[in-house]
Amino acid sequence: KAGVTQTPRYLIKTRGQQVTLSCSPISGHRSVSWYQQTPGQGLQFLFEYFSETQRNKGNFPGRFSGRQFSNSRSEMNVSTLELGDSALYLCASSDGTGSNTQYFGPGTRLTVL
Amino acid sequence: AQSVTQPDIHITVSEGASLELRCNYSYGATPYLFWYVQSPGQGLQLLLKYFSGDTLVQGIKGFEAEFKRSQSSFNLRKPSVHWSDAAEYFCAVGASGTYKYIFGTGTRLKVLA
Repeated sequence: KAGVTQTPRYLIKTRGQQVTLSCSPISGHRSVSWYQQTPGQGLQFLFEYFSETQRNKGNFPGRFSGRQFSNSRSEMNVSTLELGDSALYLCASSDGTGSNTQYFGPGTRLTVL
Repeated sequence: AQSVTQPDIHITVSEGASLELRCNYSYGATPYLFWYVQSPGQGLQLLLKYFSGDTLVQGIKGFEAEFKRSQSSFNLRKPSVHWSDAAEYFCAVGASGTYKYIFGTGTRLKVLA
């Protein structure tokens, strides 16, 4: 099976812009979670989607949003970008039915100038 | 409060030497425990996981971990380190029914030839 894919791998934006990141989970997986990784804060949970519904949410401002499509692909959006949003954004997929095991993609490196 | 502590930020070992990376957790529910490895610029690769049963779990690449409930620990071990093991290692905790992992701050492993 192909692993989790994330596009784009690298992105450069300027403050105030918005950005959309995409994640395709492992085939058959219905749960997608997003994490932000920064040197200062480490790995932090953003949100999790299962069957197009947000099941869990971390402590991030409303500028961070996501959605999931019927084919389980997910997007996350960050509006009004700030310098502090520069990070590696990781997507993880799981079957969503109790195995609790998440498989991570390679990440999208976002740089905000 | 739920938390994961990896006390060692950096560890340096010689190739062929044994390795132990420490992980302590604080979690209200019965924890599900994971170790992931991250190479530079890459996503997270699952090394092993513990849900229940035998407290000594085997993972990929020759790694193993032991769950000790009385010490709230889940330390990762490898009997003989290879140069390719140089990477950052993350311990994570979750619970049944949730995909919101809490990660430790990571331990960066350097391997001397």
